Amino acid sequence: LAKTTQPISMDSYEGQEVNITCSHNNIATNDYITWYQQFPSQGPRFIIQGYKTKVTNEVASLFIPADRKSSTLSLPRVSLSDTAVYYCLVQNTGFQKLVFGTGTRLLVSP
Amino acid sequence: DSGVTQTPKHLITATGQRVTLRCSPRSGDLSVYWYQQSLDQGLQFLIQYYNGEERAKGNILERFSAQQFPDLHSELNLSSLELGDSALYFCASSVGVEFPDTEAFFGQGTRLTVV
Repeated sequence: LAKTTQPISMDSYEGQEVNITCSHNNIATNDYITWYQQFPSQGPRFIIQGYKTKVTNEVASLFIPADRKSSTLSLPRVSLSDTAVYYCLVQNTGFQKLVFGTGTRLLVSP
Repeated sequence: DSGVTQTPKHLITATGQRVTLRCSPRSGDLSVYWYQQSLDQGLQFLIQYYNGEERAKGNILERFSAQQFPDLHSELNLSSLELGDSALYFCASSVGVEFPDTEAFFGQGTRLTVV
């Protein structure tokens, strides 16, 4: 499994756009990038997944450059309720093994 | 509500005891995963089952064991409990094992406190 590196923490204010970058230098051809969100004392929740270029859903956007060695989760206009830990995972197209790193702790302030 | 049910929600027990945590996956999901999350620690992958068979093992102690039953529910057994086993234990389920049809849905967790 490709190792992922994310900032340990980030701070933002309500209404701002937040970009969390994940580094995965050893990503393989068949690997996808997936992001999960975890609120305190709750299980993680799937946010978004992509292979290359850009993916957007109602919650976030995921930007993946051509070399795929990094990815950026973009949260538009964050609110206090977006305060959570965000995990970047690299998953193989074969057998799935969900291995979480340390994640990025996002704190959104008023 | 993710559709994954974990029981009990809270459990307090003494050192040396044995407990069983139960997980009912979402309807139709064949794969079950177990995770341990200690205070201020990340999610540690313990073990995965698919349709009754063990598919992957992570950092699971020998004192811990799990199984998935024919009705697809799973149980995680923790024995000879130590104070350090106090943690949130999460179960997750997904439709299958083959990516990308594998978005995992997590339960609300069982908080285990060993005293």
